[in-house]
Amino acid sequence: DSGVTQTPKHLITATGQRVTLRCSPRSGDLSVYWYQQSLDQGLQFLIQYYNGEERAKGNILERFSAQQFPDLHSELNLSSLELGDSALYFCASSAYSREGEQFFGPGTRLTVL
Amino acid sequence: ELKVEQNPLFLSMQEGKNYTIYCNYSTTSDRLYWYRQDPGKSLESLFVLLSNGAVKQEGRLMASLDTKARLSTLHITAAVHDLSATYFCAVVPWAGNTDKLIFGTGTRLQVFP
Repeated sequence: DSGVTQTPKHLITATGQRVTLRCSPRSGDLSVYWYQQSLDQGLQFLIQYYNGEERAKGNILERFSAQQFPDLHSELNLSSLELGDSALYFCASSAYSREGEQFFGPGTRLTVL
Repeated sequence: ELKVEQNPLFLSMQEGKNYTIYCNYSTTSDRLYWYRQDPGKSLESLFVLLSNGAVKQEGRLMASLDTKARLSTLHITAAVHDLSATYFCAVVPWAGNTDKLIFGTGTRLQVFP
């Protein structure tokens, strides 16, 4: 158990809908990262937050947005869903250290029908 | 843009044999990570390699980093069935104030009797 929690574990929804994925980092970790894993794209970085501020953006679609709240939990919002958004979405967190090791949550499996 | 390549993509090996997985990356980085993923599960951190010549070992797995060659290896000694999983290397780009991970394609390892 990495200490990172994600809800829900599974999400099945229809095209055009909007969903919210939630992540709670390990206690004390200020950085939160979101990654998408799919068969055709592999593991891709989406976005990073550090202590409530956006730190870096990757290949995140405009239909996707995220935020980190004062209690450090984070939410990833996916809107106008398409079939191709079906994937495993991971949240990771890390402490501010030289090693920068990221610990991953169990993931949310999103299926868009 | 940083690219990370792993080979082989798939490895089927007999118990008791040795093998090496290779991870090449295209631009400067001084931080490389190895993760393990079981089917449908999250990513488990295996090794953090921070400097040229770094070598770390845990059980039957040994990882090394050559930053000049931009190459990391994950060596498996006397494979056992429990090592069957997908292994990812991931690199942090040198520039910028982000710790985002750029993942390789993954190597799916299958160990058979």
